Amino acid sequence: KQEVTQIPAALSVPEGENLVLNCSFTDSAIYNLQWFRQDPGKGLTSLLLIQSSQREQTSGRLNASLDKSSGRSTLYIAASQPGDSATYLCAVNGNQFYFGTGTSLTVIP
Amino acid sequence: DVKVTQSSRYLVKRTGEKVFLECVQDMDHENMFWYRQDPGLGLRLIYFSYDVKMKEKGDIPEGYSVSREKKERFSLILESASTNQTSMYLCAGWDRRTDTQYFGPGTRLTVL
Repeated sequence: KQEVTQIPAALSVPEGENLVLNCSFTDSAIYNLQWFRQDPGKGLTSLLLIQSSQREQTSGRLNASLDKSSGRSTLYIAASQPGDSATYLCAVNGNQFYFGTGTSLTVIP
Repeated sequence: DVKVTQSSRYLVKRTGEKVFLECVQDMDHENMFWYRQDPGLGLRLIYFSYDVKMKEKGDIPEGYSVSREKKERFSLILESASTNQTSMYLCAGWDRRTDTQYFGPGTRLTVL
């Protein structure tokens, strides 16, 4: 069964810093990988989706990369802002969707 | 914009009650999912449906059932609620064209 791990579980950074969130998965037979943001008590908002044939995707200050062979993805956030504070989850799509437990990010003004 | 809505944001029920959680999507797509989210366990798939009147069990279907009578509506049913079903319930739809899952705002269910 696919296992998805996100480390660290929590991260606190000062405003303006660039940061990287990590996601690893055990089975490289995936169709795609999706990064989500979740604010407290809310649903998930899709940030970026990377197909298995792609290496990276960018949206504004966000850049996600995928190395399928090593079972890793990273989400890079440039010039972090307090509004980026949230939990970030990754999900891999194989024969079904598997989610990591998320990284809780706090950006300190 | 794609939209997934859930009937209640917060719900409090008693042990043994029958509970209905409703989810509606406007994507006109077939695939819909129900997850529960618990601290330290992440999102776990309860049931999914890939078409009207079709349903498949996910990883944790015990104690739950689902109904999909119309394409846009996917209901999760707790036949006899128990305290260990206290959780955040999230519904999602899947857009085949973009391979993207879209989530509703979630229902925080408390069973007393």
